[in-house]
Amino acid sequence: SQQGEEDPQALSIQEGENATMNCSYKTSINNLQWYRQNSGRGLVHLILIRSNEREKHSGRLRVTLDTSKKSSSLLITASRAADTASYFCATDRTGTASKLTFGTGTRLQVTL
Amino acid sequence: GAVVSQHPSWVICKSGTSVKIECRSLDFQATTMFWYRQFPKQSLMLMATSNEGSKATYEQGVEKDKFLINHASLTLSTLTVTSAHPEDSSFYICSYLADNEQFFGPGTRLTVL
Repeated sequence: SQQGEEDPQALSIQEGENATMNCSYKTSINNLQWYRQNSGRGLVHLILIRSNEREKHSGRLRVTLDTSKKSSSLLITASRAADTASYFCATDRTGTASKLTFGTGTRLQVTL
Repeated sequence: GAVVSQHPSWVICKSGTSVKIECRSLDFQATTMFWYRQFPKQSLMLMATSNEGSKATYEQGVEKDKFLINHASLTLSTLTVTSAHPEDSSFYICSYLADNEQFFGPGTRLTVL
């Protein structure tokens, strides 16, 4: 299977804390994307990082990519209860998003 | 971003019946779209890729005669689960490909009794 692995599988933190999720993959990629999924809903695209980039920021999100280790991390700073969701990484080998391979996901719970 | 809808959002059916799920792009036209299946607390698994006007390409292990995909127009694709069984109960999500990005529908929860 080409599916990536994410850890932790589940993460519970308090509001205001930072949340870090990791994603490892197996093949070379063109880019890696992070998505959020609220329970029983579709996916929301969060951020894309290309294979020649090492770090990217978007609001409270910080994504890193280490292609030598085939791994990426998603950091959510100053978490809020509304950040409670599942987070998935998805690798794109083609660069055209025509074949995304999703990781196993991290379920984040942010409590008040 | 692009808007994709799915109908129905949830469906319960008896074993042996067929269920059709619609996926529509509301504000753009795209030739390529995807159907995924997601079991509880698991990741999305690609079932098939379809291009408008041609036959869908199914992933290994996905039965094309059981999961019928009709991509008849640039804004509508349907997935029909034929002779559904309890093991087909899952969350089905479609997505459209546009400008090198996939736009996902909200998903359809299928429960087969």
